[in-house]
Amino acid sequence: IAGITQAPTSQILAAGRRMTLRCTQDMRHNAMYWYRQDLGLGLRLIHYSNTAGTTGKGEVPDGYSVSRANTDDFPLTLASAVPSQTSVYFCASSDRGTSGYNEQFFGPGTRLTVL
Amino acid sequence: GQNIDQPTEMTATEGAIVQINCTYQTSGFNGLFWYQQHAGEAPTFLSYNVLDGLEEKGRFSSFLSRSKGYSYLLLKELQMKDSASYLCAVSDSNYQLIWGAGTKLIIKP
Repeated sequence: IAGITQAPTSQILAAGRRMTLRCTQDMRHNAMYWYRQDLGLGLRLIHYSNTAGTTGKGEVPDGYSVSRANTDDFPLTLASAVPSQTSVYFCASSDRGTSGYNEQFFGPGTRLTVL
Repeated sequence: GQNIDQPTEMTATEGAIVQINCTYQTSGFNGLFWYQQHAGEAPTFLSYNVLDGLEEKGRFSSFLSRSKGYSYLLLKELQMKDSASYLCAVSDSNYQLIWGAGTKLIIKP
């Protein structure tokens, strides 16, 4: 693995189903993020984790949950998918040191369609 | 509230120069990022400004004025491969990135 990976690449899901999007990074970054990107709205933060064992809510957290059991993995779960969760989902990571510099590195994205 | 504004779409000619503006109002400021995103791909880092002034990196330059809440990305000698969306993002007081909606740049031959 080099960088940050996401799985699946794309998925079509029936409404009401449970789905977990996977994200793994091998850069040993302490912070990780989940965004959704919709046309005309830009990137919106769903959840984030500043370090393993901690998580926080972003701008649009409803209907999503995350966990950060270790440094490398940051899965995003949709407990009961709804059509409004149709979007492209990006996972990102950053090495947030004491300087606060927060360049984020992105995975390739997951295109999710909820019918 | 927090707000990042940038034009929705711009068109320019191959070989020319284009300036993409970004204005922001955020709770705190810890730097401004520009990212490039080609259609169907992930955003990739272009530049970072935390102090006022111009940062030059090859054909791309980025300018920041903190007092005006303003930045621009300048692309010179445009190439067809520069056709992409350009995202402006501000690191706020919590070091979270607040993103603009992006500017779609169309390059015509």
